[in-house]
Amino acid sequence: AQKVTQAQTEISVVEKEDVTLDCVYETRDTTYYLFWYKQPPSGELVFLIRRNSFDEQNEISGRYSWNFQKSTSSFNFTITASQVVDSAVYFCALSGYSGQGAQKLVFGQGTRLTINP
Amino acid sequence: SAVISQKPSRDICQRGTSLTIQCQVDSQVTMMFWYRQQPGQSLTLIATANQGSEATYESGFVIDKFPISRPNLTFSTLTVSNMSPEDSSIYLCSVDRSRDTQYFGPGTRLTVL
Repeated sequence: AQKVTQAQTEISVVEKEDVTLDCVYETRDTTYYLFWYKQPPSGELVFLIRRNSFDEQNEISGRYSWNFQKSTSSFNFTITASQVVDSAVYFCALSGYSGQGAQKLVFGQGTRLTINP
Repeated sequence: SAVISQKPSRDICQRGTSLTIQCQVDSQVTMMFWYRQQPGQSLTLIATANQGSEATYESGFVIDKFPISRPNLTFSTLTVSNMSPEDSSIYLCSVDRSRDTQYFGPGTRLTVL
């Protein structure tokens, strides 16, 4: 069975601080995908990144960076120089791979991030 | 990314009634998904809807309670039947538009009194 754990329920930091959101996953699949989604107060779910299990390269996109380590089954997300607009609930998710399109997403419980001015 | 719309955006319903939620995509997609997010909780997949075949339901969800239609490659509906307060949730549809990645609609906020 697949499982995603986000141990941090809530995080609160002051603007411009760096913050890391942790994600640990479990799967028996050898090929799988990992995702991060952002859910602002408006409720929509915004796709941030997808990683496949064969690509352990870290990725940076502006102030966002992701660290994928298969050895520890972790896919952590860091926001550098946080801003108030980063305040949202962030979900880590896992899916299998079938070669026939997207598969069921298994979500973590989410981390509510609050950036205070 | 896909442009996905949902109707209604929110609704308040009486227990025992049914609500049909629509999901419209701006281009053809093979797979559409329906998720539920209960208050303060994570998202859980209800079912996968492929055009031309019956929806595939996850454990804990049944067709009588959540009937789904998928009449074409750009549209799907989810009905929440015989509602109770426990059905109060955000219901989201998603589609696979690019590289096995799901993009989500804006969601439907349902409150059952």
